[in-house]
Amino acid sequence: QSALTQPASVSGSPGQSITISCTGTSSDVGGYNYVSWYQQHPGKAPKLMIYDVSKRPSGVSNRFSGSKSGNTASLTISGLQAEDEADYYCSSHTSSSTLVFGGGTKLTVL
Amino acid sequence: EVQLVESGGGLVQPGGSLRLSCEASGFTFSSYWMTWVRQAPGKGLEWVANINQDGSEKYYVDSVKGRFTISRDNAKNSLYLQMNSLRAEDTAVYYCAKEGSGSYHIDYWGPGTLVTVSS
Repeated sequence: QSALTQPASVSGSPGQSITISCTGTSSDVGGYNYVSWYQQHPGKAPKLMIYDVSKRPSGVSNRFSGSKSGNTASLTISGLQAEDEADYYCSSHTSSSTLVFGGGTKLTVL
Repeated sequence: EVQLVESGGGLVQPGGSLRLSCEASGFTFSSYWMTWVRQAPGKGLEWVANINQDGSEKYYVDSVKGRFTISRDNAKNSLYLQMNSLRAEDTAVYYCAKEGSGSYHIDYWGPGTLVTVSS
């Protein structure tokens, strides 16, 4: 049950696009189309942004998109806005019927 | 509106026990898997345990197996986490969470309750 691997930090200027990667194994990310992404602002509970690799819940901006290739999933945020500055976590279903999270990525909007 | 409200957190000595509760409303509680996720101070999210709709299936992260027990009472729309033999590394905010339908993700989170294990 090792955590998925995410970059510790990414940054971008308003209006730009950024991508956050999430690398696992064939027992989690690569084995299932059950990758999800969460946004967490300081002191707040996480919020679901993407599920099933690329699906957006109602109310989430279409600036957020997800994809997957092999054992690596990605979250792309286009048209960066100041309010996007937050921590982002990926998660995946595993072959052990558990969930595993990534270590988290701090997004800074310059 | 889906609401999840945790309670039961607090300060406990190493080796002690604590029972967290989560009261759910705004959805048909008995129809969904439920989950506990924790976050140590300044650290990332860690999935702790989940339970299926009727409580017959339960899964745990290795670090809490044999010490924590997840349960639910569908008549009371409530989820529980019994935590025994607590260790300093169990110190965290514990979130109650609802899983999405037909998939493996969390679509709603409670505000969390802080558990501090310290002497």
